[in-house]
Amino acid sequence: ETGVTQSPTHLIKTRGQQVTLRCSSQSGHNTVSWYQQALGQGPQFIFQYYREEENGRGNFPPRFSGLQFPNYSSELNVNALELDDSALYLCASSYLAEDTQYFGPGTRLTVL
Amino acid sequence: EDQVTQSPEALRLQEGESSSLNCSYTVSGLRGLFWYRQDPGKGPEFLFTLYSAGEEKEKERLKATLTKKESFLHITAPKPEDSATYLCAVQAEYNFNKFYFGSGTKLNVKP
Repeated sequence: ETGVTQSPTHLIKTRGQQVTLRCSSQSGHNTVSWYQQALGQGPQFIFQYYREEENGRGNFPPRFSGLQFPNYSSELNVNALELDDSALYLCASSYLAEDTQYFGPGTRLTVL
Repeated sequence: EDQVTQSPEALRLQEGESSSLNCSYTVSGLRGLFWYRQDPGKGPEFLFTLYSAGEEKEKERLKATLTKKESFLHITAPKPEDSATYLCAVQAEYNFNKFYFGSGTKLNVKP
């Protein structure tokens, strides 16, 4: 059984740029959730996708957007990057929206 | 407002010295409480799910318990490899797609 994978591992961008992060869900899972984790803090919920539709959103501005594809993999897009966007971005997958979430290794984004 | 508070923020133990981590929560209707372990620079690793007060789960040296307002993660005779940050998350009945995380307890076990 393949676990959750994320790419890239690390990314450095400058303020104002756009970035796309990718996630492949665990085999058999149709739900993907994205989280932002600042240093020393717990993960903060960005949004969730269930069967290619957005299924809930946290307190993040519209410049954070996402997609889920028919194979249940997902993308997180962030436009107009700000310095405060520097964080570990985590993807989690689950069989159903309400089930236990299993996390990937994360993408470390640094905005200069 | 739904909230999760973990204590202590950091804990240093000698190998073999048992202790407990606390997770207190305020949520309108708890659907589930989750414990994760996170190593530096890595994603959280799932440990336990608890659904109702009085429930207990065990795995090796770890035991999680749940009451109506808090959960404890008991660590018995810890080893240096248990060093990590332990995260607690709650899931509300009315908004079950979203996990609310605490800031974690950073555990350091010295040999």
